[in-house]
Amino acid sequence: DIVMTQSPDSVAVSLGERATINCKSSQTILNRSKNKNYLAWYQQKAGQPPKLLMYWTSTRESGVPDRFSGSGSGTDFTLTINNLQAEDVAVYYCQQYYEIPWTFGQGTKVEIK
Amino acid sequence: EVQLVETGGTLIQPGGSLRLSCAVSGFIVSRNYMTWVRQAPGRRLEWVSDLYRDGATYYADYVKGRFTISRDSSKNTLYLQMNSLRVDDTAMYYCTREGFDSDDSRAYDIWGQGTMVTVSP
Repeated sequence: DIVMTQSPDSVAVSLGERATINCKSSQTILNRSKNKNYLAWYQQKAGQPPKLLMYWTSTRESGVPDRFSGSGSGTDFTLTINNLQAEDVAVYYCQQYYEIPWTFGQGTKVEIK
Repeated sequence: EVQLVETGGTLIQPGGSLRLSCAVSGFIVSRNYMTWVRQAPGRRLEWVSDLYRDGATYYADYVKGRFTISRDSSKNTLYLQMNSLRVDDTAMYYCTREGFDSDDSRAYDIWGQGTMVTVSP
């Protein structure tokens, strides 16, 4: 199974500042023929289901603000939240959908400092 | 409106059986790739099972042989039959759809609110 490991487990950022979340996969999730990394990011607010933010590493889901951006390739990925807003407080999960079993990171909690 | 509504979660004793339902509106279940994902309290999301458009099914090792995913096209509903339940099956169970863009997966784009299953003596 592909193990997804996120860092840090939690991060506190001042309003308007930047939050950076890292995600590492235990093996590559790059589909070379399509030149796509099958890496998604989800946001889960307290008491709510996850919400898709990003897929193919860096493609924002419709309606997601452009202060959210994704980067990386192979085994190392990053979600960046610029200009952090109060409504961004949540737990963020990365997920690989390269091969079954689909696996998620342990989550990173983003809080306001 | 696109919506997934899960029902069927409850408190149940170890060894018991339960069937979860996911009523879908806004798209056709049988033309999509559908998934159950669970989340134990305070834990990470965990993939449980997939049902593909062609009827193929896939299961996580920890539920294989105990859980069965299925759909009823006439009701546009997805199901998860859960047998031989264990304490560690306790979790919120989410129904979700795998979205596609130009015939390529773009992960889980639609989620239900979830239904809670508690397995306890």
